[in-house]
Amino acid sequence: ILNVEQSPQSLHVQEGDSTNFTCSFPSSNFYALHWYRWETAKSPEALFVMTLNGDEKKKGRISATLNTKEGYSYLYIKGSQPEDSATYLCAFTSPEYGNKLVFGAGTILRVKS
Amino acid sequence: EAQVTQNPRYLITVTGKKLTVTCSQNMNHEYMSWYRQDPGLGLRQIYYSMNVEVTDKGDVPEGYKVSRKEKRNFPLILESPSPNQTSLYFCASSPMLAGGIGTQYFGPGTRLLVL
Repeated sequence: ILNVEQSPQSLHVQEGDSTNFTCSFPSSNFYALHWYRWETAKSPEALFVMTLNGDEKKKGRISATLNTKEGYSYLYIKGSQPEDSATYLCAFTSPEYGNKLVFGAGTILRVKS
Repeated sequence: EAQVTQNPRYLITVTGKKLTVTCSQNMNHEYMSWYRQDPGLGLRQIYYSMNVEVTDKGDVPEGYKVSRKEKRNFPLILESPSPNQTSLYFCASSPMLAGGIGTQYFGPGTRLLVL
């Protein structure tokens, strides 16, 4: 069974704090790692799709890095704002598992003003 | 506007009464997928489709059927719903990149209650 782990499970920070969370996945036979942002009562929205070891992606105050050799990705949020409050999901895909997309359970971020 | 639509958005039904949740996308995506979301379990893939007439099981396919007769539509069928299928369901579509799945675009979700 393919397991994608996210940590921490939840995080409470103050407005202006920078924060980061982790997504761990099997390092063998990697294809792509996806990050999604999921606000309450809405649908998940894509942040990044990363395919190359060492990849770094950035979108405004949010950035992500990828290490396929050790099997992890970090998502960073610089200067958190209340509107960043959401669940952040990562998902992994590998040729070894066909064309399934396996999601982690997510990290819940709450930013207090 | 590029989008994935699902219908109905909310559904209350009784055990054993067949139902279909429709999903349609207007982005000409090859890959379509159904997920269910349950508290503490994240998104779990039910079925996916790589293209017309090509479907495959995800991690939790039991009790569900799908079909892909047209590229834009991917309905989810519950032949005999049971209470453990009470959940929030998402349909998603994505392009296929060289060898793999691109960014997923999600529908608005369907909240199903089976009594």
